[in-house]
Amino acid sequence: GENVEQHPSTLSVQEGDSAVIKCTYSDSASNYFPWYKQELGKRPQLIIDIRSNVGEKKDQRIAVTLNKTAKHFSLHITETQPEDSAVYFCAASNERGYQKVTFGTGTKLQVIP
Amino acid sequence: EAGVTQSPTHLIKTRGQQATLRCSPISGHTSVYWYQQALGLGLQFLLWYDEGEERNRGNFPPRFSGRQFPNYSSELNVNALELEDSALYLCASSSPGRNEQYFGPGTRLTVT
Repeated sequence: GENVEQHPSTLSVQEGDSAVIKCTYSDSASNYFPWYKQELGKRPQLIIDIRSNVGEKKDQRIAVTLNKTAKHFSLHITETQPEDSAVYFCAASNERGYQKVTFGTGTKLQVIP
Repeated sequence: EAGVTQSPTHLIKTRGQQATLRCSPISGHTSVYWYQQALGLGLQFLLWYDEGEERNRGNFPPRFSGRQFPNYSSELNVNALELEDSALYLCASSSPGRNEQYFGPGTRLTVT
């Protein structure tokens, strides 16, 4: 089955700096890679996703890159703000058939004002 | 558009009892997923229902079971509760053929 590794487990950055979270996956058939943000006491929320037919996707201050050859993908947050503080989960799945979504172990991001 | 809803918000049970958790997906979504999130930990996949059928199952014992109803809502049943079953149980839904999952607020299950 799919295995997703996520690093780092914790990350502290100064407000205004950039944050990068990296994930690797094992199943070359995976073709869908979402990122979720979970604030304390709240539900995970889908913030951005990428499919294997593109290498990069941006949405305002967040971007995701995908390297299919190396089987890794990353989340980039620029100009970080205190409200970016949360736990971020990456995930991987194959949208063909009933392949479950496998989540990474999460990264706790702290943005220091 | 209403999001994914779950009930109850909190549930307190004693060891050995049974718990039933409920989930209503976003309108138009046919898939429902269940996850367990122990305190401070990640999302552990439990079950996936689509069109009334169980499509995939995580590494959990058979006392974790569920079903999906014709209106696509779902129920998770946990039998013979153990202390380590205490966790936040999250439900998510997705539209046909897509793996974009939208989560509900969760049910906090406490086993004493």
